[in-house]
Amino acid sequence: RKEVEQDPGPFNVPEGATVAFNCTYSNSASQSFFWYRQDCRKEPKLLMSVYSSGNEDGRFTAQLNRASQYISLLIRDSKLSDSATYLCVVKTGRRALTFGSGTRLQVQP
Amino acid sequence: GAGVSQSPRYKVAKRGQDVALRCDPISGHVSLFWYQQALGQGPEFLTYFQNEAQLDKSGLPSDRFFAERPEGSVSTLKIQRTQQEDSAVYLCASSHEGPEAFFGQGTRLTVV
Repeated sequence: RKEVEQDPGPFNVPEGATVAFNCTYSNSASQSFFWYRQDCRKEPKLLMSVYSSGNEDGRFTAQLNRASQYISLLIRDSKLSDSATYLCVVKTGRRALTFGSGTRLQVQP
Repeated sequence: GAGVSQSPRYKVAKRGQDVALRCDPISGHVSLFWYQQALGQGPEFLTYFQNEAQLDKSGLPSDRFFAERPEGSVSTLKIQRTQQEDSAVYLCASSHEGPEAFFGQGTRLTVV
C-alpha cells in the first residue's frame, strides 16, 4: 500500500464548476501536509499548505482530518488554467516529502 | 536565474551506458532532494542531502544509483549500466528552513 493514496482521475469538469479531490495517508506520525500542482511536462510547484483548522486561498480550500488521516482540496469556480495534476504531499519527521500519484483535472470550456 | 537548475534537460542513453545528471540548487539552500518520476506517477523519493551529508538514500532503487554533493552545493546523480526501467524524469529539489521544496525542471532520461 502506498503511503499517500489519491484517485488518479481524470476529473473532467466544465468551467465554473466546483471540484473536490481527496487523499489519504497511512503514517499517523506525518505532521505537515501540502498540495502541489504539476502542469504537463513541468515541475511540481507548491499550491498551498494544509492546516488542521482548514485554510483557504482564493478559490482553493484545503482541509485536514487527522483522525481519519484524510486531506481534501476544493476548487470553486474552476478556470481553464486550473487544468493540471494535483499532488497530495505529506512530511513525516525529518524525512523528505512523500508524494501521492496525483489527481488529474481537466477543465473544459 | 534564481531557481533550481538541472542539466541536461534530456538524455538518451543506450542500455548499459553510465549517465550523470547534474543539479544546481537555489543558492544557500541547505537541503537537496532527488526524486524519480515515471509517466503518470507522482515523484518517488530517491535520496536527500543536508549540506554535503547524505542523510537518507533509502529510495535509491539499486546499487547502480549513486548521488553525491561534495561541497554542499551542486549535486550529481549517477546511474551505472542503465536499464530500460531507469527511463523516467529525474527531479531535483532544494529547500532552506521550511518544508517547501523548490523543484528544477528535471532531466528526462530515455534508455534505449
